[in-house]
This record gives sequence, structure tokens and C-alpha cells, in this order.
Amino acid sequence: LAKTTQPISMDSYEGQEVNITCSHNNIATNDYITWYQQFPSQGPRFIIQGYKTKVTNEVASLFIPADRKSSTLSLPRVSLSDTAVYYCLLNFGNEKLTFGTGTRLTIIP
Amino acid sequence: EAGVTQFPSHSVIEKGQTVTLRCDPISGHDNLYWYRRVMGKEIKFLLHFVKESKQDESGMPNNRFLAERTGGTYSTLKVQPAELEDSGVYFCASSPRWGSLAGITDTQYFGPGTRLTVL
Repeated sequence: LAKTTQPISMDSYEGQEVNITCSHNNIATNDYITWYQQFPSQGPRFIIQGYKTKVTNEVASLFIPADRKSSTLSLPRVSLSDTAVYYCLLNFGNEKLTFGTGTRLTIIP
Repeated sequence: EAGVTQFPSHSVIEKGQTVTLRCDPISGHDNLYWYRRVMGKEIKFLLHFVKESKQDESGMPNNRFLAERTGGTYSTLKVQPAELEDSGVYFCASSPRWGSLAGITDTQYFGPGTRLTVL
């Protein structure tokens, strides 16, 4: 049973803000929400992680509502190099990661 | 700081042969994980080492797969004998600490993967 649900694909133009929403209705109290990015022929790369409210780092923001049943990854002013697959995962401690199908984001010039 | 490295990057073998994949985690990381993606499917967990001990091997598909982490540093994943359905990309990841501290969830850092093709 998938722990998270996210759109299969999204397209966006360069320079726009991209928001990818993930649903996780059965999130556990201890779960953190983590987003990974994966380019072709590379391993997944950590982008951002949060537990509640808003988290921001140098590459993205993560918005988590109070009920934590969903989250939104926000990528500001995307460029062609942001074309990748983005995974939303739930994890706690050192547990294994459970990957879904991810969202294939394509940036259009 | 060097990242997670994997060797080889590609391996092509024939059905029935043996292949050994190697992973060098980030220095000092207690946790080492193996994952794989087969034929365009989702990335799936194989097993988790804490130092030299197997913490969770629930994802290992069958007894043709043997993972070791002697000394708690690098790890090897041997497939013997290889079958066609073993083709895919094998990823290794590592994270720093063992033991779940309150409010701490460690990031897993992935290597570039080894692409295994079984003919």
C-alpha cells in the first residue's frame, strides 16, 4: 500500500515557480516528510525535509498544513536543470525509505 | 567530504554467472542501505546494515543475494547465480547515526548506482 500519492508528471516553463503536492493521509505521528530529486543515471538526492509548518533551504520550500495529510514542495524560478523526478517520502529515524513512482517534472524553455 | 561511491558503474554478465557489487559509504556513517530499481519499476529497499550487522533484510528477494559489510565500512552485494530478472540499477545509501534520537531523522545519501544487465 503506497504511503504517498503525487502527480505522475508536471510541465512548467523556465522562471516559474513549481509546486508539487503530495498526499499522505495515513502519516504516522513520528513520520517526517522528505523530498528527493533524481536525475537520469544518478541516485536520488536529498532536497528538503520537514515535520510541520514551513521549511525553507537554499533550493526549495516545503509547506505542511496542520493536519500533515499533505505537503507541497515549492521550487522557485525553475530552470532547465530542474528537470528530474521528484519523490515524496515518509520516514522516521533510520528506517528504510519507501519510494513511490515520483513526479516527473519537465521544464520547458 | 566524499560521497557514497559504488563500483562498478555498469556490469554486463550472462545468466548463471556471479557478480559482486561494492558500496563505499560516507566515512563514519553507521547505516548502509541497498536499494534497487528493476525494469522501470519503483526503487525498492533490499537491506539495511548498522555497522557490520544486518538490521533489516526484509527486502532481499531470495537466497541468491548475499550482502556483507565486514568491519562496518564498505559493503558488497553478491548475486549468485544471476538471473535475467536481476537486471536493474542497484543503489547504495548511507546515513550517519544509529539510534533514533527524539526529533532526529537522518538523511540518506545515495550513490550513483550500479547498472546490472543480465543476458
